[in-house]
This record gives sequence, structure tokens and C-alpha cells, in this order.
Amino acid sequence: GGIITQTPKFLIGQEGQKLTLKCQQNFNHDTMYWYRQDSGKGLRLIYYSITENDLQKGDLSEGYDASREKKSSFSLTVTSAQKNEMAVFLCASRRDWGTSAETLYFGSGTRLTVL
Amino acid sequence: GDSVTQTEGLVTLTEGLPVMLNCTYQTIYSNPFLFWYVQHLNESPRLLLKSFTDNKRTEHQGFHATLHKSSSSFHLQKSSAQLSDSALYYCALSGGMGYKLTFGTGTSLLVDP
Repeated sequence: GGIITQTPKFLIGQEGQKLTLKCQQNFNHDTMYWYRQDSGKGLRLIYYSITENDLQKGDLSEGYDASREKKSSFSLTVTSAQKNEMAVFLCASRRDWGTSAETLYFGSGTRLTVL
Repeated sequence: GDSVTQTEGLVTLTEGLPVMLNCTYQTIYSNPFLFWYVQHLNESPRLLLKSFTDNKRTEHQGFHATLHKSSSSFHLQKSSAQLSDSALYYCALSGGMGYKLTFGTGTSLLVDP
């Protein structure tokens, strides 16, 4: 088994601020993902990475940057926080990037509030 | 690109009644994988079941789903709802190279006593 740890659990920022969310996994999985969860909109893919130092944009990448410096970690940066923004950011990982059947494992999430 | 449609945002039913949550999809890939993930309150999403075989029923923890490629559907069913089934259910699709998983907007299931 393994675990995905996301820090911080709660993040409060100011409008225009740059904010960084961190994710660590000990599954030794190749592929890692950042999803944004909004009520009624489901899980939307922001960035994913199929190996160390690889970055691929998802459907919602505008306004975000990501970094995968180690296989076990994947960071997401909100480049300029939007006022009144509230969302949960979920990190996930999966084994074997070329296999469609593999299960996605999720972290417990970071809840972002922008004042 | 790929898309997944879950038409019901909220399904409310009484304990003991059957459950059916709808999921349809669009993809250019002929052999997609379809998944159902469940997220209970204050928890992370976790896999409930998955399939890529056409017309074969897949079961797990009392739930079942059958992938029908002819209608691009993968509906989730259970014969008798329990209070503990109250959760958010996501249908998801993976095709092509397999690294990208596309989720639907989710269906909240609320089971009343």
C-alpha cells in the first residue's frame, strides 16, 4: 500500500497572491495529477506528469504552474489567486502511464479560500 | 476530446430501493476504460469499479455496471440502497494512451431511512 500526502490541508490567500500546493506519494507511481474539484463541475484536470521533470497541461491549466522535480513529488502553483475563489485541489497518482486500466489514487485534498 | 455526461446532479431515494446512476460518454477510441469512483463526505475519491469489456457485467461491493459500447453507456446500479451508500459518485473515462482520465460532473446520492 501507499499514501498520498497533500500540504497544506487548508490554504487561505489574498487576491493576486502566488500560492503553492504540495503533494508527495510513496506508491512509487510514475504518473501524477492535479485536479480541481468544484461543486457541480466535477473533477477537472489541471496538470499531469508522466515522469520526473515531465509536465503536461490539462483542460484547466491557465492560471497555474506545476513542477515535478522528483518522482515522488508534484507541486502546483496558483500564479495569481482570484478574489472569492474557493475550491478543493486533489492530487492523484497512478502506476504505468501507458495503461488505461490502472486505478487512480487520491490525496485528501487542499481546500483553497481566497479573500 | 473525451467527455463524460452524468445527467443527474442529485439523486434522493429511500433505503431499500434500487439505485441507478446514469453515465454516458464520448470518445474517439474504440477500447476505452470506464470507471466509477465514489467519494464519501470528508474523504477522497476511491475506485468503486471499472471495465473495458463490452456487454460484460462488473460487480463490486454490491454495485454493478455494464459497459455498452453500442450506446456509449456505463450506468451504475445496485438492487437495494443502504444509508452508507450516500456519497458523490463520479463516472470516468480513459482512452488512447491512458494517461488522461476524464471525469463527469458527479452525481450526489442521498439515501434516506
